[in-house]
Amino acid sequence: DAKTTQPPSMDCAEGRAANLPCNHSTISGNEYVYWYRQIHSQGPQYIIHGLKNNETNEMASLIITEDRKSSTLILPHATLRDTAVYYCIVRVGVNYGQNFVFGPGTRLSVLP
Amino acid sequence: GAVVSQHPSRVICKSGTSVKIECRSLDFQATTMFWYRQFPKQSLMLMATSNEGSKATYEQGVEKDKFLINHASLTLSTLTVTSAHPEDSSFYICSALPTSSSYNEQFFGPGTRLTVL
Repeated sequence: DAKTTQPPSMDCAEGRAANLPCNHSTISGNEYVYWYRQIHSQGPQYIIHGLKNNETNEMASLIITEDRKSSTLILPHATLRDTAVYYCIVRVGVNYGQNFVFGPGTRLSVLP
Repeated sequence: GAVVSQHPSRVICKSGTSVKIECRSLDFQATTMFWYRQFPKQSLMLMATSNEGSKATYEQGVEKDKFLINHASLTLSTLTVTSAHPEDSSFYICSALPTSSSYNEQFFGPGTRLTVL
């Protein structure tokens, strides 16, 4: 079973920031938080990941609470092309050879 | 970034036939590849873990004789759906885990949509 809980759906206005929450209260000390998204009928796309510190890249920012029990993915200026299902996944680093366990994710709809 | 390809992207077949889906890591080597299945409006479900040069490990409820997996090289894994039936119609997605420790993510293919008539 997935170790995370996310709201099933969210709406966001085009051009505004989209803030997607994720709860992972049972996260272990060596587990990372990964975010992927899946646009309809495509394979999942990597967005960002982090361990303890907040992270930012060209796609998004990841804010992890100090106790690491929750995190928020921020898309700073959402566009219509950001409409997708967003998956928050916690797991040890990829080098341990484990698969990703996908929960139901959050269906983000960016509205014009 | 690293790229994973799948072929074919879409296939329609008759019930009882076999279908082979290829998953290739194009610019990196992958000792481990994963096969997922996704039904409409559902999340990805892991079917099996494929390790180069060894037998695949199947998840509970997945028939290994029906879903044959071969991982003969560090860049290619194949999934063969044998004697396909309409209930096997689904979106099949592979992912590849880079052998090199310089990568921090797992890379997913674009998926193969299988329709069994």
